[in-house]
Amino acid sequence: GENVEQHPSTLSVQEGDSAVIKCTYSDSASNYFPWYKQELGKGPQLIIDIRSNVGEKKDQRIAVTLNKTAKHFSLHITETQPEDSAVYFCAASSNQGGKLIFGQGTELSVKP
Amino acid sequence: GAGVSQSPRYKVTKRGQDVALRCDPISGHVSLYWYRQALGQGPEFLTYFNYEAQQDKSGLPNDRFSAERPEGSISTLTIQRTEQRDSAMYRCASSLGPNYEQFFGPGTRLTVL
Repeated sequence: GENVEQHPSTLSVQEGDSAVIKCTYSDSASNYFPWYKQELGKGPQLIIDIRSNVGEKKDQRIAVTLNKTAKHFSLHITETQPEDSAVYFCAASSNQGGKLIFGQGTELSVKP
Repeated sequence: GAGVSQSPRYKVTKRGQDVALRCDPISGHVSLYWYRQALGQGPEFLTYFNYEAQQDKSGLPNDRFSAERPEGSISTLTIQRTEQRDSAMYRCASSLGPNYEQFFGPGTRLTVL
C-alpha cells in the first residue's frame, strides 16, 4: 500500500543553523506533498506544500524540493529560531480525493 | 473566521460503550476527513466525505467504526463497543475540495478504560 517514510525522527540544531527533513513515498501516482507543523497540544498546521509539476517552492525561510524520479521530497528551514521547535510531518496524496498519507514525524529542537 | 471545531475535546469511556465524536468543518468546505493519531505518530487516514457522500472508508479499522455527514456539513464518527486499543486522538480536517489544503481541528482525545 501507500507509504511515506520520514527521516530523521529527531533533529537538534543551534539557532541560526539550517534544518533539513527528508521524506520518500511509494505511490508513483502521488502528486501533492504538504508539510505540517504540529505544536504541543495543537492540530497539524500547513506550512508549505508542493505539487508534482514543480521541483522547488520557497516561502521566506522555508523551502521544499521534490524529486519525482527518486520519489523524494525535502523540507529546508534556514536561519532557524526557537519558535521553529515543533514536530514536522510530511504527507503525500494522489488524485484519489486528497486522502493524505503521513510520515512518522520529525521532532525539531532549536537551541538558543 | 472560525476554524474546524471538534467536540468533545476529551472523552473517557468504559470498554464496551459506544461513543460519538463530532466535527464541525469550516463553512463552505466541501471535503471532510477523519484521521486517527497515536502518540508520537503521524495522523492515519480513516475516511472522507465530499458533501454528504462518503467517498472512501478504506481506513476504518473494522465495522465498529462508522461515520456520517448527512447534510454535507457536520460529521459524526461513531465507535461502537469501544475497546482499549481505540484510545487515541481523533482528528478531523476539512478543505475546499479534494486536493486542496486540509485544515485540521484540535482533535478529540479518546480514552477507553
